[in-house]
Amino acid sequence: DVKVTQSSRYLVKRTGEKVFLECVQDMDHENMFWYRQDPGLGLRLIYFSYDVKMKEKGDIPEGYSVSREKKERFSLILESASTNQTSMYLCASSSMRQGVGETQYFGPGTRLLVL
Amino acid sequence: QKEVEQNSGPLSVPEGAIASLNCTYSDRGSQSFFWYRQYSGKSPELIMFIYSNGDKEDGRFTAQLNKASQYVSLLIRDSQPSDSATYLCAVKGSGGFKTIFGAGTRLFVKA
Repeated sequence: DVKVTQSSRYLVKRTGEKVFLECVQDMDHENMFWYRQDPGLGLRLIYFSYDVKMKEKGDIPEGYSVSREKKERFSLILESASTNQTSMYLCASSSMRQGVGETQYFGPGTRLLVL
Repeated sequence: QKEVEQNSGPLSVPEGAIASLNCTYSDRGSQSFFWYRQYSGKSPELIMFIYSNGDKEDGRFTAQLNKASQYVSLLIRDSQPSDSATYLCAVKGSGGFKTIFGAGTRLFVKA
């Protein structure tokens, strides 16, 4: 079974703090993704990575950065947290070895509250 | 901007009925189409995917794809209260790494 884990389920931070969200997958997937999910807006892609040390901006990268030093780990960094970054953050992984059925496997999510 | 559109619902059906969930997409080059289910407070999980025109059945679930109309649907037969969730349609284009997700349709199955 694919397992994607995220470092925290719930997180409360202050405005201006630097926040680290970590994601680890155990299936040797080359692709990893960070999304945020807000009511009525669905899943929005922040950043993704298709290989170690590679990263690509998604649809809403402003205010975020990422790091992928090892294949199994993909970190999302909020450089200076703001209240509009309060959201549910979901990490996912996938592999192109799956072909047309490339499925994304999601972690349990981190609910972040920025005060 | 490539888009995936779903009716947000809620869609309410009685237990035992057929639930029909619909999705349209804008990118004609899209190749793979996915349906994910997301229970409240949980993360999305795959129900099934389809990439050829026509129907694909898996148990009580049937995915239907019409590329000419840029339309994909999910039918749930013999709906159960445990099917109550948000259903996300997702579309993957050709040659890219990104999958575009719709905002989801909330389904309520009344016992």
